[in-house]
Amino acid sequence: GEQVEQLPSILRVQEGSSASINCTYENSASNYFPWYKQEPGENPKLIIDIRSNMERKQTQGLIVLLDKKAKRFSLHITDTQPGDSAMYFCAASNSGYNKLTFGKGTVLLVSP
Amino acid sequence: GPKVLQIPSHQIIDMGQMVTLNCDPVSNHLYFYWYKQILGQQMEFLVNFYNGKVMEKSKLFKDQFSVERPDGSYFTLKIQPTALEDSAVYFCASSPGGGNTQYFGPGTRLLVL
Repeated sequence: GEQVEQLPSILRVQEGSSASINCTYENSASNYFPWYKQEPGENPKLIIDIRSNMERKQTQGLIVLLDKKAKRFSLHITDTQPGDSAMYFCAASNSGYNKLTFGKGTVLLVSP
Repeated sequence: GPKVLQIPSHQIIDMGQMVTLNCDPVSNHLYFYWYKQILGQQMEFLVNFYNGKVMEKSKLFKDQFSVERPDGSYFTLKIQPTALEDSAVYFCASSPGGGNTQYFGPGTRLLVL
C-alpha cells in the first residue's frame, strides 16, 4: 500500500508572500505525484504534477520539487493571492492503473 | 478543460435502501475511478475500472458496493444496502490512460439517514 503524510494542515500567509506544502510517501515505487486544489463545495482540480523522472517542475507561479531519495515532494506557491486560498491535496501513485493516495490536505489562507 | 459530470448532485436516502450514483466520464477516457470524501478529510480511493472490469479496490469498497458501465453509458456506483457510514461525497474521476491525469467530477453528496 501507500501512505502519504502532508504538512502543515493549516497555513496562513500574507498576500504576496510564498507558501510551501510538504508531503512524504512510503512506497519507493511511487512514480506520479499530482497536486490538487479544492475550493469549498467544489471538485478537486489538478494544478500541477510531477513524475519520478523529474526533480523540479514549474508552471504559472507554482513549483513542485521531488526528492526521491528522501521520498519527499513539495509545492511552492510564489506571490500568493487571496484567490489561492483553498484546500490543497498532494497525492502519490505507484500503480499502473493510477490509484491515487491522497494526503490529508492543507488549508491555505492568504490574507490581503 | 475536460469535464466529468455526476448525477445527482445530492441524494438523501434511508439506511438500508439502495442508491446508484451516476458518472458521465470524459468521452475518450478509458479509466474510471470512484473516491469517497468525508467532510474536511481527504479523498480516499474506492475502486478503479478499465475495459469493463474492476482493476483495483480498497478496503472501503465493501461487499455492498458494485460498479459497472453498461455499453459505454454512465459509470455507476451502486450501494445496496446503504449504511449510515456511507454518508460522504463521492467523486468520480476519469483518465485517458492508466498513468495519466485524473479529472474529477463535481461529486455526489450522499446522506444516509
